[in-house]
Amino acid sequence: QLQLQESGPGLVKPSETLSLTCIVSGGSTSSSNYYWGWIRQPPGKGLEWIGSIYYSGSTYYNPSLRGRVTISVDTSNNQFSLKLSSVTAADTAVYYCARLADSTWFAYFQYWGQGTLIAVSS
Amino acid sequence: QSVLTQPPSVSAAPGQKVTISCSGSTSNIGNNYVSWYQQLPGTAPKLLIYDNDERPSGIPDRFSGSKSGTSATLGITGLQTGDEANYYCGTRDSRLSAVVFGGGTTLTVL
Repeated sequence: QLQLQESGPGLVKPSETLSLTCIVSGGSTSSSNYYWGWIRQPPGKGLEWIGSIYYSGSTYYNPSLRGRVTISVDTSNNQFSLKLSSVTAADTAVYYCARLADSTWFAYFQYWGQGTLIAVSS
Repeated sequence: QSVLTQPPSVSAAPGQKVTISCSGSTSNIGNNYVSWYQQLPGTAPKLLIYDNDERPSGIPDRFSGSKSGTSATLGITGLQTGDEANYYCGTRDSRLSAVVFGGGTTLTVL
């Protein structure tokens, strides 16, 4: 059974960089069959796609976040990561990692992590 | 403002049927597959429908999806109190080069 678990600091100061890792078990980030992704949800609001990454390192990002977001994959440790720079209060959200359904960056999200709340505050 | 438009809320009595609409354009729904997600209170979203009308294994046939032109619809029959959740549609937007979601619809089973 595929499981994804987000890990991160919980609290980030404004203007700093948010860093999250998604640890994958029961599946492999080195598989050529799937993309992996990040989605976020501000408190009380809807879902926003952040970006998707392939085992090769190929990435696709939400244009609204491009320039601030970097997603990377570490196949040796079976995990992938998110970095979001210059954060503001507007970046406060529950951040989810997910596995997409196939090897296209825009496939549906088949499996989700439980999510982790990241607050941006001084 | 979401690219895909959903009604903020819908409600119906237990046992009844409800539909949730998701409206878009030719750059998203009109030329791409639609998926639907159920988010129960305090939990992560869960895939409910994919490729417009396909159900993952384990999803009861009370849930159905359809697409026509630039709109998609999620149908739920035999409503149960356990169906109370937020429902989101999602798809690719070819013009934006992004995955987009609807703003979400809160289902209340009265």
